[in-house]
Amino acid sequence: QVQLVQSGAELKKPGASVRLSCKTSGYPFTEQYIHWVRQAPGQGLEWMGWFNPNSGATREAQKFQGRVTMTGDTSINTAYMGLGSLRSDDAAVYYCARSFARWLQLAPGDYWGQGTLLTVSS
Amino acid sequence: QSALAQPASVSGSPGQAISISCTGTSSDVGGYNCVSWYQQRPGHTPKVVLYDVTNRAPGVSNRFSGSKSGITASLTISGLQAEDEGDYYCSSCTGSSTLIFGGGTKLTVL
Repeated sequence: QVQLVQSGAELKKPGASVRLSCKTSGYPFTEQYIHWVRQAPGQGLEWMGWFNPNSGATREAQKFQGRVTMTGDTSINTAYMGLGSLRSDDAAVYYCARSFARWLQLAPGDYWGQGTLLTVSS
Repeated sequence: QSALAQPASVSGSPGQAISISCTGTSSDVGGYNCVSWYQQRPGHTPKVVLYDVTNRAPGVSNRFSGSKSGITASLTISGLQAEDEGDYYCSSCTGSSTLIFGGGTKLTVL
């Protein structure tokens, strides 16, 4: 079965960087985009970007350009999202999600990771 | 780019129908038929209910339907049930191959 398993909670200081991982299984990793979405406590969903495991291409929301890096390792079917220059308002649960389908890559589908809680505090 | 505009909350009684609007711009909702709707119950990850404006995701009840007019998309839930309670988010692709979510709408079944 399809699974996306994310790395554990992180505590970072303001100004630091973090890299989160999302290990996938149960489907061909290179066939569907991985989206990164975050949700601050009590807030809505915020799309951060997508990563194409087949080509390595990425597209980020304008808000995160220059601060986010999305990569992947096809040998271990794992996607990564790095976020730099962390601020207190980056504190959120970060989700990875597989795209809806091979023919609908520009939308997260029903397979999401369990989420990684990022705390940013001095 | 600002989030798509959704009402903060809607409510309805069991059996009634409700609609949730999602307003964007000509660069997202109005320009493309790639609006999706997600349901998120407390403590759960989002679940797709509609994609490409009107198409129900596999396994989703036919009580859920979608439409779009201009820069506003809508999700309608008919025959409201207690299990429909939760937060609903719309999303739309954009001309630059990015995605944008709505601010979310809390649905309460009275």
